[in-house]
Amino acid sequence: EAQVTQNPRYLITVTGKKLTVTCSQNMNHEYMSWYRQDPGLGLRQIYYSMNVEVTDKGDVPEGYKVSRKEKRNFPLILESPSPNQTSLYFCASSTWGQETQYFGPGTRLLVL
Amino acid sequence: GQSLEQPSEVTAVEGAIVQINCTYQTSGFYGLSWYQQHDGGAPTFLSYNALDGLEETGRFSSFLSRSDSYGYLLLQELQMKDSASYFCAVSEMDSSYKLIFGSGTRLLVRP
Repeated sequence: EAQVTQNPRYLITVTGKKLTVTCSQNMNHEYMSWYRQDPGLGLRQIYYSMNVEVTDKGDVPEGYKVSRKEKRNFPLILESPSPNQTSLYFCASSTWGQETQYFGPGTRLLVL
Repeated sequence: GQSLEQPSEVTAVEGAIVQINCTYQTSGFYGLSWYQQHDGGAPTFLSYNALDGLEETGRFSSFLSRSDSYGYLLLQELQMKDSASYFCAVSEMDSSYKLIFGSGTRLLVRP
């Protein structure tokens, strides 16, 4: 089954404790992206990657890191999480044209 | 700067037709897409327009006018299950390759 998976689905952590949210897709997509979703603000792009070892900043990259060592994986790293990073996070992938983004199920993060 | 505007809420009756508008201001415009998101779920792709005109997919249609920086999503024969949030998104391709989402329109379908 074609899908994007994220782990964990729910996470409660404390300020400053490094965490990684994993994202994996099995569709051989070149383009992968991370978004955060906050009430009233829609989806905002954090980082995206157009292929292995190619990453670029989206609209809200501060406080986040990503890597793309393999085509299928695109982890999101919060080196020192802060309460303003409490949000719902989605990973997505698509082919080069970006016409259809396939979203993962989401990761709900609470930073205390 | 980049901006997308769409209504925050729309209410319609089951069986009716509803149109959700989206106006955008962005550089390096490449295409306009629409996504549906039910409460607690992930966004799912509905349609995409790169060229002017109407694209039809079953009960859903999407329209784009590049000269007016405007598009809309048309939902026909509304069903209760269509109650969800709908997002327009602009693909940018200039020095970057971003996808910018609007803040979403919450559609409530009443019996």
